[in-house]
Amino acid sequence: RKEVEQDPGPFNVPEGATVAFNCTYSNSASQSFFWYRQDCRKEPKLLMSVYSSGNEDGRFTAQLNRASQYISLLIRDSKLSDSATYLCVVNRVVTGGGNKLTFGTGTQLKVEL
Amino acid sequence: EPEVTQTPSHQVTQMGQEVILRCVPISNHLYFYWYRQILGQKVEFLVSFYNNEISEKSEIFDDQFSVERPDGSNFTLKIRSTKLEDSAMYFCASSPSLAGGTDTQYFGPGTRLTVL
Repeated sequence: RKEVEQDPGPFNVPEGATVAFNCTYSNSASQSFFWYRQDCRKEPKLLMSVYSSGNEDGRFTAQLNRASQYISLLIRDSKLSDSATYLCVVNRVVTGGGNKLTFGTGTQLKVEL
Repeated sequence: EPEVTQTPSHQVTQMGQEVILRCVPISNHLYFYWYRQILGQKVEFLVSFYNNEISEKSEIFDDQFSVERPDGSNFTLKIRSTKLEDSAMYFCASSPSLAGGTDTQYFGPGTRLTVL
């Protein structure tokens, strides 16, 4: 089983649509969770952290279910500029110091006129 | 806003040659990382570095790889004898401090390594 699993897409949606991405992870020792965004041939950029209580940042809402090891991202009122690959990322602290991020393969979103 | 920088942006090398990829992490950060992304595949962890030591490394990070912080600002990844399968985008990242495991890592723009 993959450590972090995502539907690769692509999701093609019209502008203004609501779109949801899901992710599951296998390592129950994972300690923190993120959604990153990656544009073509660019570096991953942090979109938002994900908490069990759910958190919202403008049009973006993220949710974590630790019991079922499931993470979600909801994008409302999608814009053309939201077109990118969305990476589900889980994190654990490493013994010697620092953190290790494990990435999913990403879900590609294309927002169209 | 401070950012992680990487040089060069693109490196082309012959198989068997040594390459050094350079990174300047954000200045007050304490933890440094290298990741790689083969074209069309996911981002993969290579190594984490703290207090002038490797704190964790992945199976990919074999004896051909090494990291160094030669001075107070640079963080380098050396590949001793490159193979075709080392062709990938290499990302450097840094994080400020250990904060209960929720520390954010900031990524540099990457170095695209092409091995011929």
